[in-house]
Amino acid sequence: DVKVTQSSRYLVKRTGEKVFLECVQDMDHENMFWYRQDPGLGLRLIYFSYDVKMKEKGDIPEGYSVSREKKERFSLILESASTNQTSMYLCASSPGSTLTEAFFGQGTRLTVV
Amino acid sequence: GDSVTQMEGPVTLSEEAFLTINCTYTATGYPSLFWYVQYPGEGLQLLLKATKADDKGSNKGFEATYRKETTSFHLEKGSVQVSDSAVYFCALVNTGGFKTIFGAGTRLFVKA
Repeated sequence: DVKVTQSSRYLVKRTGEKVFLECVQDMDHENMFWYRQDPGLGLRLIYFSYDVKMKEKGDIPEGYSVSREKKERFSLILESASTNQTSMYLCASSPGSTLTEAFFGQGTRLTVV
Repeated sequence: GDSVTQMEGPVTLSEEAFLTINCTYTATGYPSLFWYVQYPGEGLQLLLKATKADDKGSNKGFEATYRKETTSFHLEKGSVQVSDSAVYFCALVNTGGFKTIFGAGTRLFVKA
């Protein structure tokens, strides 16, 4: 089975802190994604990557950056955490071929206080 | 651009009731269509998929048929259980792409 693992289930950070959310997949997938999920807004794509060191902005990239130095790892960085970034963050991966499903991690619930 | 619209929830049903969650999409080309399920406190997992018109995806008693003429992919189950309580997302990936476009999600509550 494909496994996508997010480093933390729950995080509490202070406003202004730099926050790192880590995601690792074990199926050699080319594509990786970061979403945030908020009540009433569904899933919104923050950033995605289709190859090592490649990244593309999603729908809501402001306040975030990403890093993909190795194929299996995709990190989401909150440069200066703010309370409006309190959310559930979901990482996903998919194979390089098109029209395929995504595989999700268990999610990280981030609270910024 | 591509989009997915699904019925708003929450949907509350009694155990053994029939379930329908409506989903329609807008897309150029020939997308693949998916239903994902999210149980409380978890990430999303694939429930079923269909890759071309008239295909029927099925899993765990859930079914959905890819209807190109009505651009729909409605989710159905004949008899729901309490354990089916979750949020259901309709989604698509379009031809030549790999980004998944999600609907807003529909929360289902099943009462014993």
